[in-house]
Amino acid sequence: SQTIHQWPATLVQPVGSPLSLECTVEGTSNPNLYWYRQAAGRGLQLLFYSVGIGQISSEVPQNLSASRPQDRQFILSSKKLLLSDSGFYLCAWSGLRGSEQYFGPGTRLTVT
Amino acid sequence: GENVEQHPSTLSVQEGDSAVIKCTYSDSASNYFPWYKQELGKRPQLIIDIRSNVGEKKDQRIAVTLNKTAKHFSLHITETQPEDSAVYFCAASTTGTASKLTFGTGTRLQVTL
Repeated sequence: SQTIHQWPATLVQPVGSPLSLECTVEGTSNPNLYWYRQAAGRGLQLLFYSVGIGQISSEVPQNLSASRPQDRQFILSSKKLLLSDSGFYLCAWSGLRGSEQYFGPGTRLTVT
Repeated sequence: GENVEQHPSTLSVQEGDSAVIKCTYSDSASNYFPWYKQELGKRPQLIIDIRSNVGEKKDQRIAVTLNKTAKHFSLHITETQPEDSAVYFCAASTTGTASKLTFGTGTRLQVTL
């Protein structure tokens, strides 16, 4: 069966510091991968998605970037965090049909 | 692009009553409609989905209906229980290699004793 991992689970970072969040998927090949952000009490905002290694599509212009160095690894980065970057970051995967999406456990980021 | 509207934003029902959450979508090309349940502090969990070739789907106490002509779909929860309390999100997408889900804004369901 498929499993999706995210780390770290929680993170507290000062404004202006860099960020690296990692997501890995097990038990499937060639998944579509997605990064979402959820502000407190709010909905799901799609940040990036990837259909293959090195292929990244950005949905929202911001100070975040994403990379997919391996088939089942998706990384979210920032060079300088803003207060507004605080939130719950969720990675998700879907199969070749690109329909059912399954979410990872998430990373709760607080920028102070 | 796709736009999904979800109503109501909050819903309070008594245990044992039914709950209905409604969503509308804008893109007639959308053909996949999932519903997610998110408990406090947890990840969204896929609870049921429907594709455009069917009008209704049931799984125990939950059901989803789809009206393609009117571009709306609904989640029905019968015999609600306290553990049904959560935020529910609807979504819509096309299927294919680069499909993306567009989510509604969520409904906070509270089931009271």
